[in-house]
Amino acid sequence: AQKVTQAQTEISVVEKEDVTLDCVYETRDTTYYLFWYKQPPSGELVFLIRRNSFDEQNEISGRYSWNFQKSTSSFNFTITASQVVDSAVYFCALSDVYGNKLVFGAGTILRVKS
Amino acid sequence: EAGVAQSPRYKIIEKRQSVAFWCNPISGHATLYWYQQILGQGPKLLIQFQNNGVVDDSQLPKDRFSAERLKGVDSTLKIQPAKLEDSAVYLCASSLLQSQAFFGQGTRLTVV
Repeated sequence: AQKVTQAQTEISVVEKEDVTLDCVYETRDTTYYLFWYKQPPSGELVFLIRRNSFDEQNEISGRYSWNFQKSTSSFNFTITASQVVDSAVYFCALSDVYGNKLVFGAGTILRVKS
Repeated sequence: EAGVAQSPRYKIIEKRQSVAFWCNPISGHATLYWYQQILGQGPKLLIQFQNNGVVDDSQLPKDRFSAERLKGVDSTLKIQPAKLEDSAVYLCASSLLQSQAFFGQGTRLTVV
């Protein structure tokens, strides 16, 4: 069975600090997709990134970066120079290669204080 | 491009009553998901449709929950009868084949 674990329940940082959100997953599939979603207070899940298990290159998008390590089954998310608007719940998720069985972790609450 | 539309946004019912939620996915998206998100938890997949066929409903409590996607477009999720533990946000999402899912704003259900 597929499983996603986000061990950090809540993280608080001061604005401009860097913060890393951890994600560890379990799957028997050899090919799969990993995702990160953001859920602001409004409640809607906002897609951030999708990564194919074949592609282990790290990715950077502005202040966001992702570190995928297949050897440790981890897909960590780093926000550089955090801002108050980054405050939200962040979810890591896993699906099979067809987009089926999209499973979410429990989420990490990020609080960025000014 | 219009996003995933859900209605109603909020619903309060008494236990043992029935309730229905509606979802209109993004145009052209063949895959439609219903998730249940209990406060403080991650979303849990209830059912996944591919066009109008069910791909996965292994976590749908079939004694009280039902869902349909007639004509492979809109979908409804029904609970009958509702229990207190059904209080949650019900999220609908849609996607193209083998692509990321886009979520609606959800329906917040309170069962009293």
